[in-house]
Amino acid sequence: SAVISQKPSRDICQRGTSLTIQCQVDSQVTMMFWYRQQPGQSLTLIATANQGSEATYESGFVIDKFPISRPNLTFSTLTVSNMSPEDSSIYLCSVWGVTGKPYEQYFGPGTRLTVT
Amino acid sequence: DAKTTQPNSMESNEEEPVHLPCNHSTISGTDYIHWYRQLPSQGPEYVIHGLTSNVNNRMASLAIAEDRKSSTLILHRATLRDAAVYYCILDRDDKIIFGKGTRLHILP
Repeated sequence: SAVISQKPSRDICQRGTSLTIQCQVDSQVTMMFWYRQQPGQSLTLIATANQGSEATYESGFVIDKFPISRPNLTFSTLTVSNMSPEDSSIYLCSVWGVTGKPYEQYFGPGTRLTVT
Repeated sequence: DAKTTQPNSMESNEEEPVHLPCNHSTISGTDYIHWYRQLPSQGPEYVIHGLTSNVNNRMASLAIAEDRKSSTLILHRATLRDAAVYYCILDRDDKIIFGKGTRLHILP
């Protein structure tokens, strides 16, 4: 399996500011994803973080609002820019393509963001 | 996106089997069927997946209809720790897109 850590685990931010969330995996993985889960809702895929190139965003999400970096096969960051209260969510990093477990997707513990 | 339909919620008694249904009538020939679950205050975790044949692992069994338009996740003996939201997902383009899932309540 893969062990995924996220920093910070939670934060309270002022509207108009930005927060960068880090995701670290303990092994090299093929694919990394960012999801958000709003209170009481299911998970929504934000984007696929591509190593060495620009992320691929899902409909409704744009790079200016959610810039993503993936400098190597074990690390990615998601920035939530110019935050508003509607951005209050849990943000989860996920990976796919762990050696020996090609069909299992693993999820980090999440970053709980509250925007005031 | 490939769509699945699941009941919003289900109840089951502890130590009894649970059958969680999922309809996926628009499934294509190469879509894998995945099941994940999300325990309270945790990220989702993989349960099982399959393509055409029924599958078993230590957590559950997956029964896939012959026409692949539906599947059933089977928990053989539910415990209180199995209370979670269960998601049935079709893997298309190497992406896991979550639907609303089924919230499973286990009664002691």
